This record gives sequence, structure tokens and C-alpha cells, in this order.
Amino acid sequence: DIQMTQSPSTLSASVGDRVTITCRASQSISSWLAWYQQKPGKAPKLLIYKASSLESGVPSRFSGSGSGTEFTLTISSLQPDDFATYYCQQYNSYLWTFGQGTKVEIK
Amino acid sequence: EVQLVESGGGLVQPGGSLRLSCAASGFTFSSYAMHWVRQAPGKGLEYVSAISSNGGSTYYANSVKGRFTISRDNSKNTLYLQMGSLRAEDMAVYYCARDRKLLWFGDALDYWGQGTLVTVSS
Repeated sequence: DIQMTQSPSTLSASVGDRVTITCRASQSISSWLAWYQQKPGKAPKLLIYKASSLESGVPSRFSGSGSGTEFTLTISSLQPDDFATYYCQQYNSYLWTFGQGTKVEIK
Repeated sequence: EVQLVESGGGLVQPGGSLRLSCAASGFTFSSYAMHWVRQAPGKGLEYVSAISSNGGSTYYANSVKGRFTISRDNSKNTLYLQMGSLRAEDMAVYYCARDRKLLWFGDALDYWGQGTLVTVSS
């Protein structure tokens, strides 16, 4: 199975900060990577697919980049609604796997 | 509006069985692959299973292979997960989700249900 490793596990930031989360794959997954946002008690929400494509309705302050084994999710200016946990997911193989999550907390 | 509504969760004893359902509406259900993802209390997301749009292909995580069966009834717009030989580590909120890709697997999960809680305890 392809292992996905996110860093950091927890991130403390303030409103207006630029935030970057990294996701590394144990082998190349081309650009078959998605990012999700999850708030407590809620289902995950798709933010980014195919590494850098913004899902419809998602604010443009979210962006994704990378290919192969290293990927990043960037929030250009953190807003109060963005405090949540973020997960990457690979769909290169038919054994989809998630990263362990990154919790973005208020500093 | 796309809606996915899970049901069937509850308390089950170790070794027991349970069937989850996911009722879909607002899109052509028979045109999309569907997935199950779970989340243990306080933990991250774990991929469980997938089924192609026509039900002809299925995939399972190693942790549930041989114990869980995914299926669908396109005439009822409903996805199922039959869970057997349940263990304490299967306790989680189970989400159904839709694949973005039309007719086959291979994309991100664009719509999710609200989840249904499965508790495994004696």
C-alpha cells in the first residue's frame, strides 16, 4: 500500500497567516492527490483534486501544488472558518489511502 | 442537490454483523463509483471499500477484506456495506462518498454523507 505522511501534525497560526501543509507519498502517485477539510462532527469536504485543481465553490485562498511524491496545501491568508483538520488522500492505486491529518489551531 | 444519507449504524457485539445503507439522491447514482470511508473516535480517516458504477468491480482495505462486503442497488439508488466478524477496532463513524469520476473509479471524493456510528462492544 502507498503510505501518505503529512507534516506537521498540528499547526498553530493566526488569522491572516500564510499556512502550508506538506504531504509525502511513499512512492510516486503522479498528480493523483486530493485535499480535504474536516471540522469536528462533520463530514470531510473536498478542497483540491488532481493535486492543484480547486473544487467548485472553494475559496481561492486555498491552493495545491506538487507531483510525484511531494505535495503542499497552502492557505494564503488564514480565515476564522479555516481552523479545522486537513487530510491528503492518494488515488493513484485502487487502494486509496489518507494521510494522518493536520490540525490547524488558533495561535 | 446531491445528498447521501447513511443509516444502519448502532451497537453490535464483537463477532456480530451489521448492514449499513447509503441512500443517494440528486444525481444519476448508476453513473458513479461509490466508496466507504471510516473514522474511529478521535482518529483520522481510513479508507474502507469501493464499488464501480455497475457493481462489477469492488475493492477493500486489507483491514476489512474477507469480513466486509460492499454492494449497490442502482434501481433503489442505494449503496450498502455488509459488515461481519466485527471487532473493537471496527468501531467508527462510517461515511459513504461519491467518486468525482463518471462511470469508473479514479478521482477524488466530492460528496460525502453525514456518517453513521458503529459501536462494537459487549
